[in-house]
Amino acid sequence: GQNIDQPTEMTATEGAIVQINCTYQTSGFNGLFWYQQHAGEAPTFLSYNVLDGLEEKGRFSSFLSRSKGYSYLLLKELQMKDSASYLCAVTGAGSYQLTFGKGTKLSVIP
Amino acid sequence: GAVVSQHPSWVICKSGTSVKIECRSLDFQATTMFWYRQFPKQSLMLMATSNEGSKATYEQGVEKDKFLINHASLTLSTLTVTSAHPEDSSFYICSAPPGTGEEKLFFGSGTQLSVL
Repeated sequence: GQNIDQPTEMTATEGAIVQINCTYQTSGFNGLFWYQQHAGEAPTFLSYNVLDGLEEKGRFSSFLSRSKGYSYLLLKELQMKDSASYLCAVTGAGSYQLTFGKGTKLSVIP
Repeated sequence: GAVVSQHPSWVICKSGTSVKIECRSLDFQATTMFWYRQFPKQSLMLMATSNEGSKATYEQGVEKDKFLINHASLTLSTLTVTSAHPEDSSFYICSAPPGTGEEKLFFGSGTQLSVL
């Protein structure tokens, strides 16, 4: 089975940096996704990590350590519009099926 | 990029009625589609995997006779919630891999179902 843990809620200040952690225990692992979801809307793709290391994409970066079963999403220069839920999800070997964590609700305050 | 169209965006229905949700891949062929359900403040839970031309695969605990899935073509999958009850009220969302070798899934816009 799959078990994915991430903090339920976080608060950060506009312009600051925030790191959202995700740990996972899986019976099979292919890659790890981060999605952003605003309330009542579909998730939007942010990043995908297969190999260990840091992937940077603009203000968002994602890190993966396969040996530790650990990932984080780093958001820089926070903007009010970044207030959303951030979902960590993993795929099993040879599968497109995503198993989602419960999501981290990020609130960006002025 | 690949687009998945889902409708209706929201529906309100009376208890005991059936509701059909459609999910279309607009610019690619989707041999597989995934149907998720999301309750308030919860994560997305996979309900079933829809396969074109064959029976859907349901996750444990999901009633296949209640949640009917049809994937009759390479661009259309439907989820019918039969005899809906208030506890079925949820956000239903479909997704599909683009089939280009990309790993990420593309999501429909979701359907908010409210059963009175």
